Order: sequence, then C-alpha cells, then structure tokens
Amino acid sequence: AQSVTQLGSHVSVSEGALVLLRCNYSSSVPPYLFWYVQYPNQGLQLLLKYTSAATLVKGINGFEAEFKKSETSFHLTKPSAHMSDAAEYFCAVSRGDGNQFYFGTGTSLTVIP
Amino acid sequence: SAVISQKPSRDICQRGTSLTIQCQVDSQVTMMFWYRQQPGQSLTLIATANQGSEATYESGFVIDKFPISRPNLTFSTLTVSNMSPEDSSIYLCSVQGRSGANVLTFGAGSRLTVL
Repeated sequence: AQSVTQLGSHVSVSEGALVLLRCNYSSSVPPYLFWYVQYPNQGLQLLLKYTSAATLVKGINGFEAEFKKSETSFHLTKPSAHMSDAAEYFCAVSRGDGNQFYFGTGTSLTVIP
Repeated sequence: SAVISQKPSRDICQRGTSLTIQCQVDSQVTMMFWYRQQPGQSLTLIATANQGSEATYESGFVIDKFPISRPNLTFSTLTVSNMSPEDSSIYLCSVQGRSGANVLTFGAGSRLTVL
C-alpha cells in the first residue's frame, strides 16, 4: 500500500525566506514521488518528480526536493520565497506504472511581503 | 505536456439534479482519470476511463452515481448524478504525461457547488 502525509496544512513564510514543505511517504515498493502546485482556480501543475535516479531533484521555479529513504521523506524546499509562490502544494506517490497515484492533503503556502 | 480543457469551470446546482463535466485533450491518450478534490482532503481517484471499454471505478464510487463516457481518445465526460451537498467539490480530469506514464497532467478542474 502507498500513501503520503503532508505535515502542516498551512505554512507562512516571509518573502525571501526559506520555504520548507514536508512530505513523508509509505510504500511497499520503490516509490515514484511528485510535488504538484495548484494556483488559485487552476489545475495541478507538476513541480518535480523523483523516479529512482538522483536523490536530489530540481524542479521548476527554483524548487527542489530530496528523496531520503532512511527517513521516508521527500520534503520540498526553495531557498528564497517569492510572492508568486503562494499556492497549494501537493505531494504524491505512485508505483511508477501510471495506474495509481496517491496524493497528500495539501499544504497552503502563504508568502508575507 | 498535454493540454486539457474542462468545462464547466464552475457551476451551482440544485439538490437532486445531475451535471455532466466535459474533458477535452489536445492529443490522443489511452487512459483518462477523474479525480475529486474535496476541501481539506486529498485528491481521490474516482475512476479510470479507457476508450472502448467501461470505466474502472475505485472503491466507494459507483457507475450509477458517476457515469463516465469515453467516446474517443481525446474526450471524456463525468456525470455527477442526483447531487447532494456532499458532492460539492472540485472534479479534475487528468491524463498520463507525454514524457511517460509516471506523470499526470491535470485540467483546471470543475468547481461544483450543490445547494
């Protein structure tokens, strides 16, 4: 069985500060892990994905995530928050065959000017 | 990645009525997926729609409540039948990405409010 847990449904950071959004996964098979972003009134957009290659994955808009098997984590970070980063962020896990994706409950990021 | 158009983008409906959501993709895809996004909850897969066969429903979802059509490789519809306020949600269409099966691309969603 697979699942993800996102710690913190709401995160607020100051503009220019570090962004850290937490995701822990559970998987009985080597997982494929994803971060998606959803801006208001839009669909989900892929930020980055881990598919068993490099453990540090770089995505769009300056975001990156590190796969840590020992901690079963895939936290999302960005060194310096920008106002445009305010959105809902979802972590997801799949088996890699494209047939089943499991999403976290989402973290709403607020950036304070 | 594929471009997905969904309509309506939002609607307000009366209890007991039905609403059909349309999903159009700009390229042919084998599988299309319908998700429900309820406030404060995870995205939940409703069903997988394959062209030429009946949709495959996840546990907790039934065809009578959420009939799905998939007439061709670029189009699908999801109907929410006999709606109640508990059906108020965002319904999302998605497809596997062109870069591989292990990525999902989503439409903008259809926000449904049932009074």
